[in-house]
Parts: sequence; structure tokens; C-alpha cells
Amino acid sequence: QVQLQESGPGLVKPSETLSLTCTVSGASMRSQYWSWIRQPPGKGLEWIGYIFYSGSTHYNPSLRSRVTISMDTSTNQFSLTLRSVTAADTAVYYCGRDTSGYVANWGQGTQVTVSS
Amino acid sequence: QSVLTQPPSVSGAPGQRVTISCTGSTSNIGAGFDVHWYQQLPGTAPKLLVYSNTNRPSGVPDRFSGSKSGTSASLAITGLQTEDEAFYYCQSYDMSLSGSKIFGGGTHLTVL
Repeated sequence: QVQLQESGPGLVKPSETLSLTCTVSGASMRSQYWSWIRQPPGKGLEWIGYIFYSGSTHYNPSLRSRVTISMDTSTNQFSLTLRSVTAADTAVYYCGRDTSGYVANWGQGTQVTVSS
Repeated sequence: QSVLTQPPSVSGAPGQRVTISCTGSTSNIGAGFDVHWYQQLPGTAPKLLVYSNTNRPSGVPDRFSGSKSGTSASLAITGLQTEDEAFYYCQSYDMSLSGSKIFGGGTHLTVL
């Protein structure tokens, strides 16, 4: 049973950098895609990007200039970095295992608030 | 404004059938990309409900079914139950967004 768990600060100041980590258990990170998705309060889902086990990445064009997704297969973790955050980046952030184009498994989500 | 258009809300009585539409374009669903559906119960993470247009993951009741035609897709729910009350999201890819994953705006299902 694949399980994912997000972790990181729940509060980030405007203009600073948001950093989250997703810890994967019950599955190897090899030969799979790993995604980050977010959901602003009261709104729908927005795909942020994914990383393949080889290290190749693909990002949402609207966030590409501020996003980096990285992976550490030795610790079964992958991470999200979002720079220069504003209040519009306040959201629940989910990590997920991406299979054949869909997110087969989701973390429980972590709330991140951007505020001074 | 989402690239994939869903009705904001649908409703039905217990036992009835409802459908949720997901309308795209020739750069996404119409280009042949698969459509996937997720269910998000209140206060929880989304859960995969239907993948690759018509397939159900293990454990999802056969009351849920998906279809795709042209530039649109639909999720049908038969024998509505109160526990089906949730948000439902469709998802695909879009060529005009460099092959990015896209979600519909979501549909809230109310079981009357």
C-alpha cells in the first residue's frame, strides 16, 4: 500500500520561499512519476509539476519560473520549492504518485499560509 | 477559468442517476488524451475514481462509470447514496500548455 506524507512549514512570509517534502512509503520511487498539486481555499485543484525518477521534471507553465521539484531516492523523498510567494500561493499542497497520466495515490495534504 | 469545464453543481435523490460533464477542446480531450476522475469528500484529499476514461481502481463501486466522446467526457453515478456527496474533478492533459496536466473546475454533488 503506497502512502505519501507531506511535511514542511505551515506559514511562509510573502516574498520568501516555500519548501515542502513528501515522504513515500510502500513503493519504490524508481520508474515512477511524482507530482505536486495544490488547492487554494474554496477552489479547485491546480497541478504544479512532476519529477520522474531519472530526475527529469515538467512544470505548470504558470508556475515554471518559481518552481523546482527535486528527488532523493535514497531517502524515498521528493521536494517542492516555490520562490517569491504571495498570498495567492496560500493553499493545501498535496503530493502524489503519478501513473500513466493520473494521480493514483495522494498524500493527506498540508496547509500552507502565506502571511506576514 | 479552467481549461476543462464542469458544471459547478449537480444534485439527485438517493437511488437516482446523475451525470457530470467535462468539456474540453481539440487541444486536450479532443486530441486523444485520456480523462481521469477524482472524488474529494469534505475535508479529505482527492481520491482516484476513474482512470483512462472508463476504468475503475480496485475498491471503487461499479455505480461509478466514465465515458469519453469527442472533446468531452462524463462521469455517471447510479444508485446515488448519501456518502456520494462530494466534489468531483476531471483531469487530462493539454497540448497548448506544453503537455501539462489540467483539472476541471470541480462539480459539487448534493444528494437530496
